[in-house]
Amino acid sequence: AQSVTQLGSHVSVSEGALVLLRCNYSSSVPPYLFWYVQYPNQGLQLLLKYTTGATLVKGINGFEAEFKKSETSFHLTKPSAHMSDAAEYFCAVSLSGGYQKVTFGIGTKLQVIP
Amino acid sequence: DGGITQSPKYLFRKEGQNVTLSCEQNLNHDAMYWYRQDPGQGLRLIYYSQIVNDFQKGDIAEGYSVSREKKESFPLTVTSAQKNPTAFYLCASKLAGANEQFFGPGTRLTVL
Repeated sequence: AQSVTQLGSHVSVSEGALVLLRCNYSSSVPPYLFWYVQYPNQGLQLLLKYTTGATLVKGINGFEAEFKKSETSFHLTKPSAHMSDAAEYFCAVSLSGGYQKVTFGIGTKLQVIP
Repeated sequence: DGGITQSPKYLFRKEGQNVTLSCEQNLNHDAMYWYRQDPGQGLRLIYYSQIVNDFQKGDIAEGYSVSREKKESFPLTVTSAQKNPTAFYLCASKLAGANEQFFGPGTRLTVL
């Protein structure tokens, strides 16, 4: 079984400030980890993913995330927030192999203040 | 352009009526999924299908039904047995052996 916890359902940052969205997971086997972004009334778009290999993963729009096994974390960061980053972000986990059911976190809404 | 289409974008239904949401993909993906999204609850899996003519219940299948007669199509019927159907419904698909799912734009269903 796997689960995901996103700390903070709402996060506000100033334009130009660091973005940090937190995600912790639990998994009985090595996990696959994902971050998705959702703009209002739209579907989810993959930002980045971790499967194996390098633990620092770079994604689209300047976002990156680091897989830390010892902390069971996969936090999403971006050095400088843009107004266009305002959206809802979902962390997700699946198990390697087989059907790979994906479990999503409850989401974090990011507000960017001008 | 390859992608996933969902129709309609907005759907209104009276209580007691069944309604079918469309999901079509031209990505040649093998697996397809239906999720329900409610504020503050993330995405919950309703049904999924890994191959044509086969599908399995997800975590919240009660009150819903699906079919998978063609690889590219996975319609979802919300029946009158679904107690609280007002929600945003998302369809997704995935290649067999791949890790990530690709999502459609969603259908917002409102029961009047």
